[in-house]
Amino acid sequence: GAVVSQHPSWVICKSGTSVKIECRSLDFQATTMFWYRQFPKQSLMLMATSNEGSKATYEQGVEKDKFLINHASLTLSTLTVTSAHPEDSSFYICSASSHGTSVSYEQYFGPGTRLTVT
Amino acid sequence: QKEVEQNSGPLSVPEGAIASLNCTYSDRGSQSFFWYRQYSGKSPELIMSIYSNGDKEDGRFTAQLNKASQYVSLLIRDSQPSDSATYLCAVNMGGNNRLAFGKGNQVVVIP
Repeated sequence: GAVVSQHPSWVICKSGTSVKIECRSLDFQATTMFWYRQFPKQSLMLMATSNEGSKATYEQGVEKDKFLINHASLTLSTLTVTSAHPEDSSFYICSASSHGTSVSYEQYFGPGTRLTVT
Repeated sequence: QKEVEQNSGPLSVPEGAIASLNCTYSDRGSQSFFWYRQYSGKSPELIMSIYSNGDKEDGRFTAQLNKASQYVSLLIRDSQPSDSATYLCAVNMGGNNRLAFGKGNQVVVIP
């Protein structure tokens, strides 16, 4: 149980273009989804928290107009990196959590998306 | 003070030995504590969760929690080469299930 998928697993895009990353909870309803970024040899950095049907809450220093998050259903959240630049190249990982169930408070991570901007 | 601290450097243990990892946290009101394992180039995988003071055992893993000391640890018994990874301590910071992560401890099990 508690499986989270992410698509694509890797993507290469040109500077200035936009990239959309999907995160799906496959076997549970995720009331909350989280988006993280991880640079090489560094720990996870939380970018934003999203609740189904609500606007995402962004961490300090994360540009909400650059990293667009949509959480339209209890099983799907998307992160769109707009006008990507080489410095946006990173490992983007989503996680999902559910309230009031046996997996309450636990976050389950997707496999991650490795973004390279050329 | 950082929310979650894992201060020890890379840990090398011989195969079959016990690996011990420590973590402290700053928010006295935290109620949920987790250990994640992350292999190089992969995403974190939940291996233990603990909510009450004391020990919790799951296979070769034992998590220990002491809320009074704001301290949580992970023991890996009979360490195997496949345990070589970075172990992340995570603490729930309340509201929206947000987790604060430590920087992680790298464990290397030497055959």
